[in-house]
Amino acid sequence: EPEVTQTPSHQVTQMGQEVILRCVPISNHLYFYWYRQILGQKVEFLVSFYNNEISEKSEIFDDQFSVERPDGSNFTLKIRSTKLEDSAMYFCASRLNFFIDTQYFGPGTRLTVL
Amino acid sequence: SQQGEEDPQALSIQEGENATMNCSYKTSINNLQWYRQNSGRGLVHLILIRSNEREKHSGRLRVTLDTSKKSSSLLITASRAADTASYFCATDAGGTYKYIFGTGTRLKVLA
Repeated sequence: EPEVTQTPSHQVTQMGQEVILRCVPISNHLYFYWYRQILGQKVEFLVSFYNNEISEKSEIFDDQFSVERPDGSNFTLKIRSTKLEDSAMYFCASRLNFFIDTQYFGPGTRLTVL
Repeated sequence: SQQGEEDPQALSIQEGENATMNCSYKTSINNLQWYRQNSGRGLVHLILIRSNEREKHSGRLRVTLDTSKKSSSLLITASRAADTASYFCATDAGGTYKYIFGTGTRLKVLA
């Protein structure tokens, strides 16, 4: 069964460094999302992406964050200058099309900012 | 309370018993979904119920939706130790692209 994959599974970085989290959505899906989950807290929406542009973003998704679909398969989340509070699990999700509401989530990348 | 609040926050039951978790939300929705998350792992989609549906079944799962009360429940029948996980509801907040997740119910099924 097709699934969303994410790399790396765990990323450790120093405060102020740039990180890029990578996702490969399910191949024929058209909508892509990033969410994060700080340890012990709820899953929070960051951004949605469709047709090569951001559809919606949350207040968390400030100028330090950016997303890109550099080719036909990858979907990336970049944090330009990481802060301690960026430490969290980051989940990528994809959805087939406008009419199919189910979002399929990847296994997540655990980001630790030291 | 915030959009997507589950209760109880934690639930501990014996294997074979039924587990019921509730979710409340605040805005109008097109659909509501339930997800499972094993400790430190990704989110697994369980079931989606649309706003015009009242009940839906999938194997040992039964989901109800009451849009007048803005609430949903997830029932897991004949629970197993493998059902031990956190369960989250997620709503689409009235047709926006994003999903809003609740705080989750941590279910522990004792063998």
